[in-house]
Amino acid sequence: EVELVESGGGLVKPGGSLRLSCAASGFAFGSYFMNWVRQAPGKGLEWVSSISSSGTYIYYADSVKGRFTISRDNTKNSLSLHMNSLSGEDTAVYYCARDNGNNYFDQWGQGTPVTVSS
Amino acid sequence: EIVLTQSPATLSVSPGERVTLSCRATQSVSSSLAWYQQKPGQAPRLLIYGASTRALGVPARFSGSGSGTEFTLTISSLQSEDFALYYCQQYKNWPPYTFGQGTKLEIK
Repeated sequence: EVELVESGGGLVKPGGSLRLSCAASGFAFGSYFMNWVRQAPGKGLEWVSSISSSGTYIYYADSVKGRFTISRDNTKNSLSLHMNSLSGEDTAVYYCARDNGNNYFDQWGQGTPVTVSS
Repeated sequence: EIVLTQSPATLSVSPGERVTLSCRATQSVSSSLAWYQQKPGQAPRLLIYGASTRALGVPARFSGSGSGTEFTLTISSLQSEDFALYYCQQYKNWPPYTFGQGTKLEIK
């Protein structure tokens, strides 16, 4: 069974940093593009970042470019998101999501909440 | 960036009714459109991809149609478990992937 489990969310002060992780199991992690998608309280879904199966190709939303860094460790079946210079606009539930190979997201984790507040 | 506009924002319906949700793109996405269902406190769930193909395990009462800039998600006979938020997503031109703002199905 495919499983994606996010962790690392929490309360952080404006300007602070946080590292999110996503542990994958039940599939050949190293064969799939992976993504982070976030959802601010009461709002819709916003794509944040994507990383290719090998980690060679990386993409970011303009709203996080230069502040967030996506990475992966295929030996540990793990996806990460390093977030710097956080502001209230980054407050959201962050989901990791698998790209099934055709650019839509067929598996999602349960999400980890990030709150940026003083 | 392709903007997706979903309508209506909220739809009040009764169980057993047939409903149609709309998603419109600012430029053609061909058939590269997916629909997701999200229930409160849960992650999104893939329902439809390629505009009209049901994902594994999705009941046959869900159907998608359209291409280019106009898309619809139809639920033929609403069940109690279908009351949720529904999002469309385009994956034709990325980055960025973009989502619609969502349609909320609520019980009438």
